[in-house]
Amino acid sequence: QKEVEQDPGPLSVPEGAIVSLNCTYSNSAFQYFMWYRQYSRKGPELLMYTYSSGNKEDGRFTAQVDKSSKYISLFIRDSQPSDSATYLCAMLRGTSYGKLTFGQGTILTVHP
Amino acid sequence: DTAVSQTPKYLVTQMGNDKSIKCEQNLGHDTMYWYKQDSKKFLKIMFSYNNKELIINETVPNRFSPKSPDKAHLNLHINSLELGDSAVYFCASSPGLGEAQPQHFGDGTRLSIL
Repeated sequence: QKEVEQDPGPLSVPEGAIVSLNCTYSNSAFQYFMWYRQYSRKGPELLMYTYSSGNKEDGRFTAQVDKSSKYISLFIRDSQPSDSATYLCAMLRGTSYGKLTFGQGTILTVHP
Repeated sequence: DTAVSQTPKYLVTQMGNDKSIKCEQNLGHDTMYWYKQDSKKFLKIMFSYNNKELIINETVPNRFSPKSPDKAHLNLHINSLELGDSAVYFCASSPGLGEAQPQHFGDGTRLSIL
């Protein structure tokens, strides 16, 4: 069993829809949670970074962490075709010296 | 001005050959990483260096040897390439080793073994 599970999709939504992306994890030592966006043939770029449980909002993006359920989510409001990409969740333990553990990534397509 | 740059972008070579991938960052960061992304997009860390010192060395065949000549550069040399080495290799950097240090990725080197 992988430490971080993420449904690879693909997920296809119409423009303007609310998108929900999720990851579950098994290691309770994870304390830092990230979402990266990866366009085709590009490197991952950091979208959201949260510590412990709670919500964080940045423009159309909201990240949620529920440590009790070992579940994290990324919501995209008013989705745009430019949001079409692979979304990767990633996690860090407190003393992991930057060793990110990634989910498999969810492929998202937003069609006009 | 590219923050984390890798060369080459594409590498096609025969099984058994030796090849190197280079990475440079102009962000002034202390820490650099190598990741491997397989065909299913699964991204896994291989190595990290902090101030030229090896910090993370995951379970990677010893055919893979990283080298950091200075803080801004981290190269990856691969000996005796095998079919299973075909993947995209990403370099990343972060300001330091702390947990709140976001990692910035290059655009990858696509390695194909024939």
